[in-house]
Amino acid sequence: AQTVTQSQPEMSVQEAETVTLSCTYDTSESDYYLFWYKQPPSRQMILVIRQEAYKQQNATENRFSVNFQKAAKSFSLKISDSQLGDAAMYFCAYRSAGLGSSNTGKLIFGQGTTLQVKP
Amino acid sequence: DTGVSQNPRHKITKRGQNVTFRCDPISEHNRLYWYRQTLGQGPEFLTYFQNEAQLEKSRLLSDRFSAERPKGSFSTLEIQRTEQGDSAMYLCASSPSRSRTVGTGELFFGEGSRLTVL
Repeated sequence: AQTVTQSQPEMSVQEAETVTLSCTYDTSESDYYLFWYKQPPSRQMILVIRQEAYKQQNATENRFSVNFQKAAKSFSLKISDSQLGDAAMYFCAYRSAGLGSSNTGKLIFGQGTTLQVKP
Repeated sequence: DTGVSQNPRHKITKRGQNVTFRCDPISEHNRLYWYRQTLGQGPEFLTYFQNEAQLEKSRLLSDRFSAERPKGSFSTLEIQRTEQGDSAMYLCASSPSRSRTVGTGELFFGEGSRLTVL
């Protein structure tokens, strides 16, 4: 079974600075997706960034980028130029990418990291 | 609003009562998921529907829990004889049929239904 681990329950960053959130995962599969989701307080979870395992190039979305190390099974999120609106809980998630009928496409989440942004 | 909709947003009930939550997915999405999230934790998978068929259930889904998606559109999650340990946020998510060329592998989440059992 696949597992996702986020070892940082809480992180803090000064506004305009850069912060990196860590995530490791365990799987025997070679083809999968990895995601970072953001969950602001009392609001719905939204996708921040997505990485396909077969792609070597790290994904980037504006101020958000990932460091995907497939061999090490590591998937960290870097937030540059942090803004007050970035304060939220961040979840790393794994999804199998196989197209077989047994693959439900469910996400497996880590425990989350609460990010505080200080003005 | 064409996103995932969940009702009610909040439900407070007494132990032993039954509760039902409803999820309306994005209209063209045939895959629907229920998750449970306790305070400060990541969401835990409960069950999955493809159209009207319930294809996977987690061991977390005890016999007091039942989920349906009768016409392959909206879904309901019922909890019978609620216990204090059922207090949590229940999240619904949907996604389109998955292939390399359709969709991004992403799940789209609703705002959740928060259950408090007294």
